[in-house]
Amino acid sequence: GNSVTQMEGPVTLSEEAFLTINCTYTATGYPSLFWYVQYPGEGLQLLLKATKADDKGSNKGFEATYRKETTSFHLEKGSVQVSDSAVYFCALSDENGGSQGNLIFGKGTKLSVKP
Amino acid sequence: DTEVTQTPKHLVMGMTNKKSLKCEQHMGHRAMYWYKQKAKKPPELMFVYSYEKLSINESVPSRFSPECPNSSLLNLHLHALQPEDSALYLCASSQTQGETQYFGPGTRLLVL
Repeated sequence: GNSVTQMEGPVTLSEEAFLTINCTYTATGYPSLFWYVQYPGEGLQLLLKATKADDKGSNKGFEATYRKETTSFHLEKGSVQVSDSAVYFCALSDENGGSQGNLIFGKGTKLSVKP
Repeated sequence: DTEVTQTPKHLVMGMTNKKSLKCEQHMGHRAMYWYKQKAKKPPELMFVYSYEKLSINESVPSRFSPECPNSSLLNLHLHALQPEDSALYLCASSQTQGETQYFGPGTRLLVL
């Protein structure tokens, strides 16, 4: 079945540090891949997405590249800010994978950025 | 505009109460979703409506009753809940089932 594995948190960084949050997936079809962010006390916001191999999603300085050969979709940002402190969820949607196209989430990675 | 709204923002209810959560979107999306999220966990899918018909029910207890009165609205009726039902309830919508989902801010529910 489909699944998503994210690196365990929490991740604590200083402001302006480089961020990588690893995400790998297992899927039987050709999934779309997503990163969602959840700020404290809020719902999920779509951060970025990629729908096919080698696509790069980007938003607010965050990037992730859909790597089919390594089944990965790692999230990166060159210089984090205190306001990036949140929980980040990697997710996939695979219409042909038996989950009817519904989102399969990773467990989430909590990021804390210190000034 | 990718806004999904949810009311109320917070809800406290006793185990014998009946209450409803509401979700609304005006993006013309034809799929709407209810999720339950416990602290420090990812959201868990509860129900999916596609073209106003219930498409998926993830074996949710009958004390949760969804309703989709029209393509813009989704309700979740609550009755005789248990304390373990306390959670953040998230609504989402997408153009059609399987496409990119956009989430609302959630309703934080406390069952006493």
